[in-house]
Amino acid sequence: DGGITQSPKYLFRKEGQNVTLSCEQNLNHDAMYWYRQDPGQGLRLIYYSQIVNDFQKGDIAEGYSVSREKKESFPLTVTSAQKNPTAFYLCASRVGQGDSYEQYFGPGTRLTVT
Amino acid sequence: GESVGLHLPTLSVQEGDNSIINCAYSNSASDYFIWYKQESGKGPQFIIDIRSNMDKRQGQRVTVLLNKTVKHLSLQIAATQPGDSAVYFCAENRSSNDYKLSFGAGTTVTVRA
Repeated sequence: DGGITQSPKYLFRKEGQNVTLSCEQNLNHDAMYWYRQDPGQGLRLIYYSQIVNDFQKGDIAEGYSVSREKKESFPLTVTSAQKNPTAFYLCASRVGQGDSYEQYFGPGTRLTVT
Repeated sequence: GESVGLHLPTLSVQEGDNSIINCAYSNSASDYFIWYKQESGKGPQFIIDIRSNMDKRQGQRVTVLLNKTVKHLSLQIAATQPGDSAVYFCAENRSSNDYKLSFGAGTTVTVRA
């Protein structure tokens, strides 16, 4: 059963704590992405990685960090520096070969910080 | 600001009717467009895509139309069903060298029985 796994589905944290969201894919895709979605809004790109051991900032990278040590995994850390971390976080992957632009999404993690 | 946007945030459709969801974009260099469907609490699912060298593409019950002259994209859903109720997003890839998608705000489609 191939796909993208995000865990947990719901996550609760106290303000001031760092939290790491998991994203794993078994699609053998080279590229992976993290998006943030707020109510009634579209997806905004946080970070992306086109290949292992390399990643770039997206449009709203401040207060977030990532790593890409393995092809299958692209964890996102929401740091205490992120001013408004409560949101729905989506991970995606893309084949990364040829000219395929389609991104495949995981089920998302809803983070609530109080 | 965002270059991809949808004309209407909500759309109510009678079951069995055809739905048309619109999207405007501002970057004439965009070479690829994609439509996603997102059900409540889930990740977006691919519906259909189209490249800038095409003006129409059909899938199962869905058609995407691209009008590059006015920078307009639309998704047509034939014989709308209750399961089509969701938020629909258009997205564009702004550059052939950059595999990042820019998403619009989405249109919420509600199917009336």
